Amino acid sequence: KQEVTQIPAALSVPEGENLVLNCSFTDSAIYNLQWFRQDPGKGLTSLLLIQSSQREQTSGRLNASLDKSSGRSTLYIAASQPGDSATYLCAVGRGGSEKLVFGKGTKLTVNP
Amino acid sequence: GAVVSQHPSRVICKSGTSVKIECRSLDFQATTMFWYRQFPKQSLMLMATSNEGSKATYEQGVEKDKFLINHASLTLSTLTVTSAHPEDSSFYICSARRAGLGRTEAFFGQGTRLTVV
Repeated sequence: KQEVTQIPAALSVPEGENLVLNCSFTDSAIYNLQWFRQDPGKGLTSLLLIQSSQREQTSGRLNASLDKSSGRSTLYIAASQPGDSATYLCAVGRGGSEKLVFGKGTKLTVNP
Repeated sequence: GAVVSQHPSRVICKSGTSVKIECRSLDFQATTMFWYRQFPKQSLMLMATSNEGSKATYEQGVEKDKFLINHASLTLSTLTVTSAHPEDSSFYICSARRAGLGRTEAFFGQGTRLTVV
């Protein structure tokens, strides 16, 4: 059974700092890995999608890496801003399936 | 990105009544949609897979007679919580996957906060 773990559960940083969020998964047979942002009481916004054959994806100040063999992914946020405050979710697509298995998320607070 | 619209965003209902939640893909067709549930401080958990024109497939432990799913068209799936009880209070969210350019990506609705009193 695939399990996804995100560390830390919560993180508070001053504005401008670079930071890394971690995601680990137990079964390396994944279809893809996706990072989402969830604002309080809101839906999910897709940030980055990494296919199983890829090592990383970048979008603006965000960079996500994937190491399937070790079952890890990291989300790097450069020059953090207060508007980045949200819960960040990591989800892996099960091998051969479109279903996603989510971690519990990392709640990020960026202080002005 | 693709747009998935979910309605309502919040609903409060009395115990024993039924509640319907709609999930629409606005600018693409989705033969498959997914329904997730999130309890406080827990991760999103897949409840069921909604297939257009056929019966939904439910994850282990999810009562199919309680959570009725209908996928009547390529752009609409509905989840009906029947005879709701307070323990059904949760955040329900749908997603649809759009395929293209050699990959598929999941897009989520805004979610529905259900409170059963």
